[in-house]
Amino acid sequence: DGGITQSPKYLFRKEGQNVTLSCEQNLNHDAMYWYRQDPGQGLRLIYYSQIVNDFQKGDIAEGYSVSREKKESFPLTVTSAQKNPTAFYLCASRLLSGGTEAFFGQGTRLTVV
Amino acid sequence: AQSVTQLDSHVSVSEGTPVLLRCNYSSSYSPSLFWYVQHPNKGLQLLLKYTSAATLVKGINGFEAEFKKSETSFHLTKPSAHMSDAAEYFCVVSALNTGKLIFGQGTTLQVKP
Repeated sequence: DGGITQSPKYLFRKEGQNVTLSCEQNLNHDAMYWYRQDPGQGLRLIYYSQIVNDFQKGDIAEGYSVSREKKESFPLTVTSAQKNPTAFYLCASRLLSGGTEAFFGQGTRLTVV
Repeated sequence: AQSVTQLDSHVSVSEGTPVLLRCNYSSSYSPSLFWYVQHPNKGLQLLLKYTSAATLVKGINGFEAEFKKSETSFHLTKPSAHMSDAAEYFCVVSALNTGKLIFGQGTTLQVKP
């Protein structure tokens, strides 16, 4: 089945530790996105990538890092510099031509204690 | 620059009555517009999309939306609400010249029996 997979579904980390969230897609999509979701704030864009080996900062990139070494994969690292990392993280992908919609993973809920 | 405003953070309707979720957008270019639905702790599912074809767009589960350029609006409607429609709804804009997807703050739809 084609789709976009995020893992793990739940993640717990101690404060001060870096943590990497996985996002893989087998839809042959060009673009991939990371969003953070907090109650009452909608989805805020962290990073996005339109092509392999290139990515752009979104609205809240501070304290996060990404890589796009393969078309299928777009991992997100939440670093210790992120002041409030506890949130629900969503990954998405889409084709860039024709105004196509994005497909979303099921999300990773990160809790930092 | 693109932006999107969902005019109601919370909408409550009775089962069997019409649903109206309001969305206004701002875009320097001809936009693509989407409505997504999110059930608790889940990813996002596409309801419908507008990509410069017909201005009245029909989606899944009986939802539809009308693109009104003069009013810069893309309101979501459904003639008769069902209990299963209770969820968070997001209006999303994408400009054709960039890969960015911009989300509204979301509208929580409550359906009362």
